[in-house]
Amino acid sequence: DAMVIQNPRYQVTQFGKPVTLSCSQTLNHNVMYWYQQKSSQAPKLLFHYYDKDFNNEADTPDNFQSRRPNTSFCFLDIRSPGLGDAAMYLCATSANRGFSYEQYFGPGTRLTVT
Amino acid sequence: QQPVQSPQAVILREGEDAVINCSSSKALYSVHWYRQKHGEAPVFLMILLKGGEQKGHEKISASFNEKKQQSSLYLTASQLSYSGTYFCGTEWKGYNTDKLIFGTGTRLQVFP
Repeated sequence: DAMVIQNPRYQVTQFGKPVTLSCSQTLNHNVMYWYQQKSSQAPKLLFHYYDKDFNNEADTPDNFQSRRPNTSFCFLDIRSPGLGDAAMYLCATSANRGFSYEQYFGPGTRLTVT
Repeated sequence: QQPVQSPQAVILREGEDAVINCSSSKALYSVHWYRQKHGEAPVFLMILLKGGEQKGHEKISASFNEKKQQSSLYLTASQLSYSGTYFCGTEWKGYNTDKLIFGTGTRLQVFP
């Protein structure tokens, strides 16, 4: 089945220790998104790619970086995680950009910072 | 300016109906609806693209009032499987952002 896969599902890292979360998709979608979701809150967009075109949200901390080496894979790098970065990180894809395309979410990676 | 959903939480018995509203301060191109169960990813329910459009998905339907800048999600004869948090996602007119802004969320609990 075509799907969005995230690894790992659970990640524990130490304060200040860099961490990388990965997302892959078999849908061959052009657009990939990274969201941060804290408890009882809505998903908050960090950045998205349209093909290789990177779009950063104005309020995304510099601590967060992303790479998309090819259509199928996207990575979220947190250079120096703080306690406030503990959250669920969701990857999503859509076939194209524009308001008529639904988003397909991966299962998420729950990040704990100790 | 995140869309505001109301109510914040709903508790239902199986078979009861509910309405969830999503209001935006900006004119909308479209409204998406997603359901998220605890600890899981959001799952797409439907998109409404035109003002006045209504859509149905089994016993879940929605409407989009472009003039009022709002959408409503209707859940009829609720089932236990409807429990979860519902989010609207909106795309604003005049902002070429290619992204959704998710609403504040409505937590729905259905009991036997």
